[in-house]
This record gives sequence, structure tokens and C-alpha cells, in this order.
Amino acid sequence: GAVVSQHPSRVICKSGTSVKIECRSLDFQATTMFWYRQFPKQSLMLMATSNEGSKATYEQGVEKDKFLINHASLTLSTLTVTSAHPEDSSFYICSATSSNTQYFGPGTRLTVL
Amino acid sequence: GDSVTQMEGPVTLSEEAFLTINCTYTATGYPSLFWYVQYPGEGLQLLLKATKADDKGSNKGFEATYRKETTSFHLEKGSVQVSDSAVYFCALSGFGNEKLTFGTGTRLTIIP
Repeated sequence: GAVVSQHPSRVICKSGTSVKIECRSLDFQATTMFWYRQFPKQSLMLMATSNEGSKATYEQGVEKDKFLINHASLTLSTLTVTSAHPEDSSFYICSATSSNTQYFGPGTRLTVL
Repeated sequence: GDSVTQMEGPVTLSEEAFLTINCTYTATGYPSLFWYVQYPGEGLQLLLKATKADDKGSNKGFEATYRKETTSFHLEKGSVQVSDSAVYFCALSGFGNEKLTFGTGTRLTIIP
């Protein structure tokens, strides 16, 4: 149990375009999901907390207009990187909470050309 | 605020060696403690957890004991395998707080 999926696993896009990443809890409902960013050989940086039915809470320094988060249902949160630039290239990972434990998705590798 | 200090890597061991990765924490109250493992190109997988003092988490031969007196949660395994090569993250969540605070991660490489 407690499986989290992400789609797509890899995406390459041109600079200036927008990219949507989906995070789903497959066998449980999650009122709270989290979005992280991970740079090569570094730890995870929390970007935002996604709350079902309400606005996301962003960490300091994260641009909410650039990283749009929507948590439309108890099993789906989406992260949209708007007007992507090469510096947005990174590994994005989501997680969802079940029984006071965070379970992570497999990650999405975004490359912006 | 809460913080996690983790043994810096990389760590390289021979197969069947004994493994210890140190982790200490600073937190108010009674946090829950976790070890996550990340294989190349993948997300994080929960390896084990402990939610109160003296609890021992265990999974796949790995163990860690929640030591409140030393604020530690060291990861151990008696005999490592090549397939254990990965990055290991120690993390905590504060009481009543779902957010995780991560250590910097320790890259482990096991050579045959």
C-alpha cells in the first residue's frame, strides 16, 4: 500500500513553454501532498505544501506564479512550471502523507533547452 | 528550528561489511524519525521509521534505534550487499507537523 505515482517520468521542453507534472496517490487519499526539488547530488528542497481544496503554501524563495500547484482531488496534485527556463531543469519529486508518514513518487526529470 | 545532521559521504564498503551511517537531530518535543533510500534516477523509498524513544525501526536487514538521550537515529546493517548501493537520507517530522526535515544524504557504494 501507500503508492505514489508521478507522470511524466521525464520531460524535455523548450525555453518559454509550460510543463505540467502530475502526482497521484494510488491506493489512499491524501489531503496533503508535498512538492520537492532536488539538484544533482543534493538533498531535497521543499517547494510547497499542496492542500486539497485550498491554496498551496509555498516555502520562502519559491515563486508561486512560476510554480503553480493545484490539488483538485484527494488523489491528485499537479505542479505546472510556467515559462520554463534552463535554470528550472531539475528533478521534481512529490510526496503524499498516509498514517503520519510521507510516501514519495518516483520523480520527474525536467530538462529545459 | 528542527535540523538533521547526517554523516557525510561518500561511503565505500566491501560486500558483507558492517554498515553504520550516523544521524543526529535537533528538534523540540518528540519528533518522528525516518530513513529513506534513493536508488539512482528514482524517488525516495521509506526504509524504516520510529515514532517514539527507544523504538527500533527495521527493514531489509537495516535497523535504527530512536535514542532520545543522544538525539540520534543511526542506521546499521550487519552485512551489506552490492544492491544496497544508494543514497540514504535521515529525516524527521516534528510533533503535529507533517513537514519533513532532511539530512544532506549519504551516498553508499558497495563493491563486490
